Amino acid sequence: EDQVTQSPEALRLQEGESSSLNCSYTVSGLRGLFWYRQDPGKGPEFLFTLYSAGEEKEKERLKATLTKKESFLHITAPKPEDSATYLCALPMIYNQGGKLIFGQGTELSVKP
Amino acid sequence: ETGVTQTPRHLVMGMTNKKSLKCEQHLGHNAMYWYKQSAKKPLELMFVYNFKEQTENNSVPSRFSPECPNSSHLFLHLHTLQPEDSALYLCASSQDLADTEAFFGQGTRLTVV
Repeated sequence: EDQVTQSPEALRLQEGESSSLNCSYTVSGLRGLFWYRQDPGKGPEFLFTLYSAGEEKEKERLKATLTKKESFLHITAPKPEDSATYLCALPMIYNQGGKLIFGQGTELSVKP
Repeated sequence: ETGVTQTPRHLVMGMTNKKSLKCEQHLGHNAMYWYKQSAKKPLELMFVYNFKEQTENNSVPSRFSPECPNSSHLFLHLHTLQPEDSALYLCASSQDLADTEAFFGQGTRLTVV
């Protein structure tokens, strides 16, 4: 069964303390992996798309990497404004249809 | 103007009311989605439309009724809801069906009393 699991569920960091978020997946035929950021009460905001193992994408303090089994979102020297829930999602394609499957998210809190 | 716009942003309705949520996308995308997000739970896919045709109904109760009159507009009609239906309802669109990134609206916070 196709599955997406994120860890940890919650992560508390001090400002400037770098860390990584994990997204593990099992899927028959990877067609891409998406990272989103979601602030409370708002819709998810698209961050990155990764399509193949070994691919990396960067945006400001965030870097996303992809292997055959998991993706990491590395946060370098985070600031309080990076506090949000980070979601990963995989597309599932099947006969006549398709959908995005989301992980449960990692709630990141960065304290000054 | 944002790419995906949802109205209203907040809605309080009684269990006997009928209301509708509206979503409009200005991105020229072909696929549109409704998701439900409850507290501390992953996003739950409800419906998928591709070129105005419904391609997915994720076992959603009939008190939720989607409508997609064209590729730019998506509605979710609500009637006789239950308090457990209170959640953030999110609309999204993507260029193609699921293998391109989806862009989300800001959501409608629904409270059923």
